[in-house]
Amino acid sequence: AQTVTQSQPEMSVQEAETVTLSCTYDTSESDYYLFWYKQPPSRQMILVIRQEAYKQQNATENRFSVNFQKAAKSFSLKISDSQLGDAAMYFCAYIRRGSNYQLIWGAGTKLIIKP
Amino acid sequence: DGGITQSPKYLFRKEGQNVTLSCEQNLNHDAMYWYRQDPGQGLRLIYYSQIVNDFQKGDIAEGYSVSREKKESFPLTVTSAQKNPTAFYLCAVGYTGELFFGEGSRLTVL
Repeated sequence: AQTVTQSQPEMSVQEAETVTLSCTYDTSESDYYLFWYKQPPSRQMILVIRQEAYKQQNATENRFSVNFQKAAKSFSLKISDSQLGDAAMYFCAYIRRGSNYQLIWGAGTKLIIKP
Repeated sequence: DGGITQSPKYLFRKEGQNVTLSCEQNLNHDAMYWYRQDPGQGLRLIYYSQIVNDFQKGDIAEGYSVSREKKESFPLTVTSAQKNPTAFYLCAVGYTGELFFGEGSRLTVL
């Protein structure tokens, strides 16, 4: 069975610095998607970034980028120039290509931004 | 405004009562989902629907029921058979993991 593990329950970073959130996953599939979702205190979950497993290039969205290591089954999220608005729970998620509903979620990492 | 509307945001229930959480969307998505969120855990899928008049159980469907009579609406009923219903409930639409969420409903059993 596929699993997603986020080993850091909580991380903190100084405003304007860079932080990396870790995520590992276990699957026997070769084609899949990985996601990072953000849930701020308002509690509405929003998609931050998506990575397709067949693409070697790491996805980037403005200050957010990933380090996708397929062989190591690792998918970390790097947030550059951290801002107070980045404070949130961050969830890593996996879905096999071809599945519409079997999204597997990690337990989340709480990110604290220190002013 | 386009989006997903969940109501109510907060709901209190006495033990033994059924409650229904509303989820309405105007994003024209076929697929809709209900997730349960508990502290320290990832989201868990309760039910999903890929088309009107059809829905499937997720990982934790026991004690819950849904209907999908309209494309825009996917209400979730938490029945008295759900042993531990206090949780945050999230409705979502989307496809292949790329989901748009509502703001959630917090259910507390007194």
